[in-house]
Amino acid sequence: EVQLLESGGGLVQPGGSLRLSCAASGFTFSRYDMSWVRQAPGKGLEWVSAISGSGGSTYYADSVKGRFTIYRDNYKNTLYLQMNSLRAEDTAVYYCAKDRRYCSSTSCYSLAEYFQHWGQGTLVTVSS
Amino acid sequence: DIQMTQSPSSLSASVGDRVTITCQASQDISNYLNWYQQKPGKAPKLLIYDASNLETGVPSRFSGSGSGTDFTFTISSLQPEDIATYYCQQHDNVPLTFGGGTKVEIK
Repeated sequence: EVQLLESGGGLVQPGGSLRLSCAASGFTFSRYDMSWVRQAPGKGLEWVSAISGSGGSTYYADSVKGRFTIYRDNYKNTLYLQMNSLRAEDTAVYYCAKDRRYCSSTSCYSLAEYFQHWGQGTLVTVSS
Repeated sequence: DIQMTQSPSSLSASVGDRVTITCQASQDISNYLNWYQQKPGKAPKLLIYDASNLETGVPSRFSGSGSGTDFTFTISSLQPEDIATYYCQQHDNVPLTFGGGTKVEIK
């Protein structure tokens, strides 16, 4: 069974930093592209960032580019999101999500486009 | 960025009713359109991918259609467990973008 477990959320002051983690199990982690998607309280979904299975390709929304860094440790089966220079508008539940497509020797991708499995989310609150 | 416009933003229907939600893209996205269901306090769930393909395990009362800029999501016979907010999402271009959501309630 695929499981994604986020952690690392909490209350942080504007300008502060936080690192989110997403521990994955139940699938071959390195063979799947991953993403972070967030949802501000009472609002809709917003794609934040994505990373290829190898970690060699990364993508960011303009709203977080230059402040957030996505990376992964395929030995630890863990996805990360380093968030710096946090703003009030970054307040949200952050979900990690796994793509539905497996990267094989004949077919491989770099951008998670189909969010087949999601974690339960971790709340980040940016406030003084 | 590609803007995704969903309508209506909310709807109320009776059990057994046919429910239709539309999603319009600001430019041609071919069939690169997914639909998600999000129940209160839960993570979203992928229902339909590439406009019309039903994700494994999803009941057949859910369906999707469309291509280009105009897409439709349908629940053929609304069930009490379908109470949720539904989102479309384009994956033609980065940044990936979602529609604003449609909240479905029981009348």
